[in-house]
Amino acid sequence: GAVVSQHPSWVICKSGTSVKIECRSLDFQATTMFWYRQFPKQSLMLMATSNEGSKATYEQGVEKDKFLINHASLTLSTLTVTSAHPEDSSFYICSARTGEAYEQYFGPGTRLTVT
Amino acid sequence: GQNIDQPTEMTATEGAIVQINCTYQTSGFNGLFWYQQHAGEAPTFLSYNVLDGLEEKGRFSSFLSRSKGYSYLLLKELQMKDSASYLCAPPRSQGNLIFGKGTKLSVKP
Repeated sequence: GAVVSQHPSWVICKSGTSVKIECRSLDFQATTMFWYRQFPKQSLMLMATSNEGSKATYEQGVEKDKFLINHASLTLSTLTVTSAHPEDSSFYICSARTGEAYEQYFGPGTRLTVT
Repeated sequence: GQNIDQPTEMTATEGAIVQINCTYQTSGFNGLFWYQQHAGEAPTFLSYNVLDGLEEKGRFSSFLSRSKGYSYLLLKELQMKDSASYLCAPPRSQGNLIFGKGTKLSVKP
């Protein structure tokens, strides 16, 4: 149980285009989902916290107009990287938790390359 | 805020035991997680400690001392596949995790 999927697993896009990444909880309802980004040999950096049906809370320094997060249902959250640039190339990972429990389940990640 | 301190790298021999320490400072305590992350992959859950003491789960055990802001992950009977980064992460009150750089463990034959 507690499986989180992400789609796509990798994507290559051209500079200036937008990319949408999906995060799904497959066998549980995720009241909260989190989006992380990880550059090579760096630590996971929390980008935003998303609660179902409400606006996401972004960490300091993360541009909310560039990284659009939608958590429209209890099993799906999406991250859209708008007007992507090569510096946005990174490993994007989502995680999900249910209810009041602190335990988070991570998706397998999406590797984004912007050319 | 939260501060997390772990050794950057450790090396150990296959079959041995290794202890990875973590000290942390948090504004409020909500337990402490340990995750394993292989290169190029997402983290996988190892343990979650809320109470003081040692929790054993197969080859992996995790210890917590809340009063000292200290935890360790103990890996026994090391295998080559245990080569990975190990991340300790205390959750914030909102439930989100803030990770440090973790400890990169290399297991040698």
